[in-house]
Amino acid sequence: GQNIDQPTEMTATEGAIVQINCTYQTSGFNGLFWYQQHAGEAPTFLSYNVLDGLEEKGRFSSFLSRSKGYSYLLLKELQMKDSASYLCAVMDSNYQLIWGAGTKLIIKP
Amino acid sequence: IAGITQAPTSQILAAGRRMTLRCTQDMRHNAMYWYRQDLGLGLRLIHYSNTAGTTGKGEVPDGYSVSRANTDDFPLTLASAVPSQTSVYFCASSASGGDVNTEAFFGQGTRLTVV
Repeated sequence: GQNIDQPTEMTATEGAIVQINCTYQTSGFNGLFWYQQHAGEAPTFLSYNVLDGLEEKGRFSSFLSRSKGYSYLLLKELQMKDSASYLCAVMDSNYQLIWGAGTKLIIKP
Repeated sequence: IAGITQAPTSQILAAGRRMTLRCTQDMRHNAMYWYRQDLGLGLRLIHYSNTAGTTGKGEVPDGYSVSRANTDDFPLTLASAVPSQTSVYFCASSASGGDVNTEAFFGQGTRLTVV
């Protein structure tokens, strides 16, 4: 079956760095997405990786290793507004998104 | 620019009743999707449409139906609601579906409670 695993919850301190991991097993691979979802709101797009390596976008970076079925989202200089759930999703061979359950990130002052 | 709009934002529904959740986008996106989101689970695809006039079943289609008469609208109907359909429902759209990797844009969600 298809599976996306990510930690349920993480806690970090304002100003610090946090890495949220995602491992996947899917039928085919056509890219990996990271979304941010604040409580009670819709998910919003953060990043997309289809080739191995690091994609940097401001304070956020996303890494992909296809051979290991592994990705991480790196958040630097954490701000209180970064408190949210972070969703990992893989596009499979049918171009359908398979979603992880999300990682709830709690930022403490 | 509205983007993608869902209605209603929340609803309490008696079991056995019929209900249609509305979704409209003004981005001229080809692909549209309906997901449900339940605590502790990832977003699960209910139905999708890669282009106007076509629809397909997702991971959890039972008890739901959709139609795609035009590009902009993608309503989701619960023919006879059951308590297990209590969830938050998200409609989403993307520029292409089925052959191109593009990001999805989400509506604000509909919180449905079936009692």
